[in-house]
Amino acid sequence: QSALTQPPSVSGSPGQSVAISCTGTSSDVGSYNRVSWYQQPPGTAPKLMISEVSNRPSGVPDRFSGSKSGNTASLTISGLQAEDEADYYCSSYTTSDTWVFGGGTKLTVL
Amino acid sequence: QVQLVESGGGVVQPGASLRLSCAASGFTFSHYGFHWVRQAPGRGLEWVAIIRPDESNKYSADSVKGRFTISRDNSKNTLYLQMSSLRTEDTAVYYCARDGPNWNLDYWGQGTLVTVTS
Repeated sequence: QSALTQPPSVSGSPGQSVAISCTGTSSDVGSYNRVSWYQQPPGTAPKLMISEVSNRPSGVPDRFSGSKSGNTASLTISGLQAEDEADYYCSSYTTSDTWVFGGGTKLTVL
Repeated sequence: QVQLVESGGGVVQPGASLRLSCAASGFTFSHYGFHWVRQAPGRGLEWVAIIRPDESNKYSADSVKGRFTISRDNSKNTLYLQMSSLRTEDTAVYYCARDGPNWNLDYWGQGTLVTVTS
């Protein structure tokens, strides 16, 4: 099972919006709306930010939103804040009853 | 509150075995599935395995199949990962995570470091 493809890095200034893409295949991202996103600040455990493509768990700011088209999912962060600086990972359930993660994207707030 | 605490990591030689544990609290353990996810130093997350509430349903990544076994003890609220024939490339922080109701990993432990080195 190959990792989902994410850009290694993105950046933006405070207040701006950034989008992180996550490209898979018809065996994972394209098959189900079972894509989730995780935030991992340095030295900490991952935290769930988005599930089922676009659902925010309780406590996650509405600045975070998700979408999907075909085999590509996206996480958009609007109104960037310094505290958003972290690594972000997408994940998808697959047709093999397994999960797969993306390679991760480092978000830098300039 | 939901809490997951991993233990059992350490330094071992290639070919050795090690068992990781993940103690859960704050929810009804037997109602949930659980994942193991690992992260090599400076690298991304890699999904390792899942066990459903019904222990008969288990799946693992090809990279660990035949070497790692996921299991659980509902009477002890504990998840395990038995690792054998360890390789240097298995060096990573190993996280346990709860399988959430919406096809996600909704709670994570703090991780335990496994170092495989000669």
